[in-house]
This record gives sequence, structure tokens and C-alpha cells, in this order.
Amino acid sequence: GQSLEQPSEVTAVEGAIVQINCTYQTSGFYGLSWYQQHDGGAPTFLSYNALDGLEETGRFSSFLSRSDSYGYLLLQELQMKDSASYFCAVRAREVGSYIPTFGRGTSLIVHP
Amino acid sequence: NAGVTQTPKFQVLKTGQSMTLQCAQDMNHEYMSWYRQDPGMGLRLIHYSVGAGITDQGEVPNGYNVSRSTTEDFPLRLLSAAPSQTSVYFCASSYSRDGGEQYFGPGTRLTVT
Repeated sequence: GQSLEQPSEVTAVEGAIVQINCTYQTSGFYGLSWYQQHDGGAPTFLSYNALDGLEETGRFSSFLSRSDSYGYLLLQELQMKDSASYFCAVRAREVGSYIPTFGRGTSLIVHP
Repeated sequence: NAGVTQTPKFQVLKTGQSMTLQCAQDMNHEYMSWYRQDPGMGLRLIHYSVGAGITDQGEVPNGYNVSRSTTEDFPLRLLSAAPSQTSVYFCASSYSRDGGEQYFGPGTRLTVT
């Protein structure tokens, strides 16, 4: 079966940089996604990595190492509105090919 | 485009009752899925569909049925509600060949007493 591990909570101050790690175990790996969810809201897509390396989208970057079964989400110039839960999700041949399996989420708390 | 829509937003059921959670998308997505979200558990896959007429079980399918008669609609049926099914339910859709992005509906908050 599949498994994903990510920290349950991360705290940081406004303006700082924070990294949220995700390690996974699966067979037939296709790619790693990241989603953001604010309290009471629906998850929204942030990024997707299918190949090794860093993908940058504005203040957010995502990294993948397929050989290490590891990825991370990097958030720069943190803002209060970045306080939310962040989920990594794996797409793999094990489950419906293109249906992601989600980790348990990391709660990011940004302090002023 | 409305995206992914879900009804109802809130629902309270008594143990043993049945009901259907509705999900529709207007993006012509092939893939649709249902997740439940419980505190500390992330999003767990209940059932999914890779196209009209094709459905399959996810991680936690027991107590739920689905069907996909059209590309647009993917209803989730609770056969006999139990308190353990109290949760927030999200429907999602995606293209089969996209770069990983799933579009989520706003969710249905279900309480079973």
C-alpha cells in the first residue's frame, strides 16, 4: 500500500521562509502534488512535480527527489494568510493511476 | 463555469437513514472522486471513477455506493448511516492527462446522530 509522512504542525513568523517536508512509499510513482486548505474551505491545488527538481510559482516552490521518495514545499515571504493546512498527495499506479492519495496534512501557523 | 458543485452543504441524519450526496462538474473531466476528511486524518479516498460507467473502490469504501451514468455527475450514496460516517465529504474532478491538479467542490458537512 501507499504511505505519506509529513509533519503535523509547523510554526513561523511573518516574512520568514518555511519548508514542509513529505516522504512517501508507493509503487508505480507518477508525481507529487501539494494542496492548501484554509479552515472550513476546500483544498486548492498549489503545485505538481513529476520529475526531479524544483518548481517555482511565485512565493511557493516545490521540490521532488524520486530516488529519495521525498519532496518539500517551500513558502517564502510568509504572510498571515498563509496560515492553513498543507497536504502532499501522491499519484501512483496503485490507485486509479491519476487519483491522488493524500497525506494527513501539515498545519502551518504564521505569527506576526 | 461553475466548476465542481456539491449539494447539500450541511446535512444531519439519524442512524440507519440513507441519503445521496450530489456532485456535478461542468469541465468535462474524466476523473471524479469522493473523499472524506476527519480531524487529523487528511483526505481519505472513498470511491473514484475514471469515466462514465466505470467506478472503483478507494481506501474507505464500506457503507458507500457510487455510480457514474454521465460524465458530469457522480453521486455518493450512504446506504444506512452510522455515527462513524460523520465527516466532511469532498468531491473532486480532474483530467486524466493533466499535471496533477484536482478541482474540489465546497464540501458537504454530514452529522449522523
